[in-house]
Amino acid sequence: EPEVTQTPSHQVTQMGQEVILRCVPISNHLYFYWYRQILGQKVEFLVSFYNNEISEKSEIFDDQFSVERPDGSNFTLKIRSTKLEDSAMYFCASSPLVELSEETQYFGPGTRLLVL
Amino acid sequence: AQKITQTQPGMFVQEKEAVTLDCTYDTSDQSYGLFWYKQPSSGEMIFLIYQGSYDEQNATEGRYSLNFQKARKSANLVISASQLGDSAMYFCAMRGRMDSSYKLIFGSGTRLLVRP
Repeated sequence: EPEVTQTPSHQVTQMGQEVILRCVPISNHLYFYWYRQILGQKVEFLVSFYNNEISEKSEIFDDQFSVERPDGSNFTLKIRSTKLEDSAMYFCASSPLVELSEETQYFGPGTRLLVL
Repeated sequence: AQKITQTQPGMFVQEKEAVTLDCTYDTSDQSYGLFWYKQPSSGEMIFLIYQGSYDEQNATEGRYSLNFQKARKSANLVISASQLGDSAMYFCAMRGRMDSSYKLIFGSGTRLLVRP
């Protein structure tokens, strides 16, 4: 069964460093998302991406964040200068959304980011 | 504003018994989607079940069913014949406004522990 994959599974970085989180969405899906979950808290929406552009972003998704779909398969989240409060689990998700009944988002296994 | 509320931070259930996890939502949209995800201790988000607001029948997927009461704005998850592997966090989520990006809004989750 097709699944969303994410790399790396864990990333430790120093405050102020840039990190790139990578995702490969399910191949025939059209909408892509990034969410994050700070330890012990609820899952929060960061950004959605459709047709090679951002369709919506949350207040969390400030100028330090960017997303890119550099080729036909990868979908990346870049944090330019990491802060301690960026430590979280980052989930990529995708959905087919050809019709409304296909709106279910399938999540990747997540990347656990720790900023020291 | 759209909101998901899960009032049970933790629940216990005896193995092989059924359990209901509560979820209420608030939206002014006529069309919306409701989802349940399972998050085991390993951290991934596993899609369980979906209910569209116009679906007349309650959704079922194997041992999972969704008790959808539109007038009460509730979408409770029922797990029948609980198994030890059902021990996990369970998140209720709602799809955001149709004129946005279909982002998911999550509740705070319920931690379910299945006792042998």
